[in-house]
Formats: sequence, C-alpha cells, structure tokens
Amino acid sequence: NAGVTQTPKFQVLKTGQSMTLQCAQDMNHEYMSWYRQDPGMGLRLIHYSVGAGITDQGEVPNGYNVSRSTTEDFPLRLLSAAPSQTSVYFCASSYSQGLSSPLHFGNGTRLTVT
Amino acid sequence: DAKTTQPTSMDCAEGRAANLPCNHSTISGNEYVYWYRQIHSQGPQYIIHGLKNNETNEMASLIITEDRKSSTLILPHATLRDTAVYYCIVRVAGRSSNTGKLIFGQGTTLQVKP
Repeated sequence: NAGVTQTPKFQVLKTGQSMTLQCAQDMNHEYMSWYRQDPGMGLRLIHYSVGAGITDQGEVPNGYNVSRSTTEDFPLRLLSAAPSQTSVYFCASSYSQGLSSPLHFGNGTRLTVT
Repeated sequence: DAKTTQPTSMDCAEGRAANLPCNHSTISGNEYVYWYRQIHSQGPQYIIHGLKNNETNEMASLIITEDRKSSTLILPHATLRDTAVYYCIVRVAGRSSNTGKLIFGQGTTLQVKP
C-alpha cells in the first residue's frame, strides 16, 4: 500500500520561479488537503478538496493554487515562489469529508526558496 | 485559530503511562477530537479520535470528559520510540456541516526518558 505519495522530497527554487508539488493517493479517498509546517507555527491548512472538481481555501492560501481533476491527484502550484514559502509541505487525504474520517499524511516536501 | 490548548512539553519514564491533556472548551456537538503525533520531520501519524465516548485502539486510549471540554490521550506503556510532538485537534466543520478541516495547534512535545 503506497498510501499518500508526495514528490519531490526536496526542492530548491529561486525567487520568482514556479513549480508544482505533487500529491497522489491510491486509497480512493474523497478528501485531500495541503498543509505547510514552519518552526514554531505547527501545521497550517493551505487548500483542501472534498472531491474531484471541488477545492476551497484554508488558513493560508495566498501564493498557492490547487486543482483536483481526478480523485487520486491533488497538486499544489506555486506560480511565483517567494522566500516566505520556504517550508515543509504535507499532503493529506481521508476516505470522506466527514468529521469522523481520519486524515492520512504523506512524508512531506521540503522546499527552500532563495 | 486552533481550538485546542495543550501543554508545551511533558516528560514520561519509559514503561510508564503517558497522559497527555488537552482542552477544547469551544468544541461543538458534532466535532470530533483527533490525536496525531509527529516524529522528527516525518508526516503526522494518526493515533486515535472520538466524539463523546472513550476510545481505545492498539496505540492508545482517549478519555473525553462528559462535557466534552477536555480530553486525555493515554499511552499505556511509553517507549523511547514514543518521543514525539503530539497534536490534539478538533476537526472543524466547514461550509457544510459535515466537511471537516483539521486545524493544528502547537502540540505537546513528549520526551520519554530511560
């Protein structure tokens, strides 16, 4: 069972560059989400999706775009990277959007913007 | 903002029970309490969740007070590998009443000592 797979594991960008962080799950999960983790800040929700074709903003959506064209994939796009986006990014999914459905996390993408 | 309050850090002797408290005084009737832990820089690992009744699984027990304003995670026989940051989270209802977002707080750093 692959679970939630994030690629790449590490990435270095220069300010202004764009990139896409990939997230895929093979559990047929309906709900997917992106978090960023910064020292002393805990995990903060960026965007989430309750199903294919449906996305919504979390706590810190600025500077990030998402789309959900398939159930399996939920990519996170940085259109113009900024040093403030240096962080560890986690993707998570759950079977349903219901409140009783546990989220399962990937192992993260460590992004540095110089 | 996170809806939970946890102590910043705790110590526990190896082999003893670790009791991690959490306050969630503003929890709503349909919101679940979740516990996750994070070891080093890995993705958060799901431990347990509950609504109003006490819950137990192979990892831990969750005790929720009758008024649901607080809960305690119990690791019955802590080992060195249980050293981690433990997050108590209330899964927040979104725009529809059954859409859940996990809003992470700062967590409790549990140090299990030999």
